[in-house]
Amino acid sequence: DVKVTQSSRYLVKRTGEKVFLECVQDMDHENMFWYRQDPGLGLRLIYFSYDVKMKEKGDIPEGYSVSREKKERFSLILESASTNQTSMYLCASQGGVEKLFFGSGTQLSVL
Amino acid sequence: TQLLEQSPQFLSIQEGENLTVYCNSSSVFSSLQWYRQEPGEGPVLLVTVVTGGEVKKLKRLTFQFGDARKDSSLHITAAQPGDTGLYLCAGAGRRSNDYKLSFGAGTTVTVRA
Repeated sequence: DVKVTQSSRYLVKRTGEKVFLECVQDMDHENMFWYRQDPGLGLRLIYFSYDVKMKEKGDIPEGYSVSREKKERFSLILESASTNQTSMYLCASQGGVEKLFFGSGTQLSVL
Repeated sequence: TQLLEQSPQFLSIQEGENLTVYCNSSSVFSSLQWYRQEPGEGPVLLVTVVTGGEVKKLKRLTFQFGDARKDSSLHITAAQPGDTGLYLCAGAGRRSNDYKLSFGAGTTVTVRA
């Protein structure tokens, strides 16, 4: 089975801190994605990557950046965390035709 | 605005009852997927429908893709408490190289024992 691992299940940070969310997949997938999930809004795409060192903005990239130095690892960076970035963050890798495999998520609280 | 509209937003039923969840859009999709998400976990793919008018069955779950590939429905027969979860539909773009998915806001289903 494909395994997508997110480094933290829960994270509490202060406003202005730099935050790193890490995601690792073990199936050699080329495409990886970061979503945030908020009640009533569903999943919104922040950034995605279709190859090492390649990245594209999703629907809500403001306040975020990403890094993909190795194929298996896709990191989401909050340069200066703000309270409106409190959310559930989901990483996914893509195998086959469009099928997404998700990690368990990181619930980030910014105080 | 949500590209995919799901209804209802919440659904609470008794064990043994049937339920239907809808996913509608004004856009055409090359395929549509349904995911189920349980608390504290990421979404897990249930099914992918590709052809307009397609019907797929997964035990007590029946998925239908609209003829125009703009809408879909999920029907659960004789629901069980294990069916409780957040059901999400997701559409893939019309172009063959568009692998990004657009998600609906989800339907929270609660099945009471």
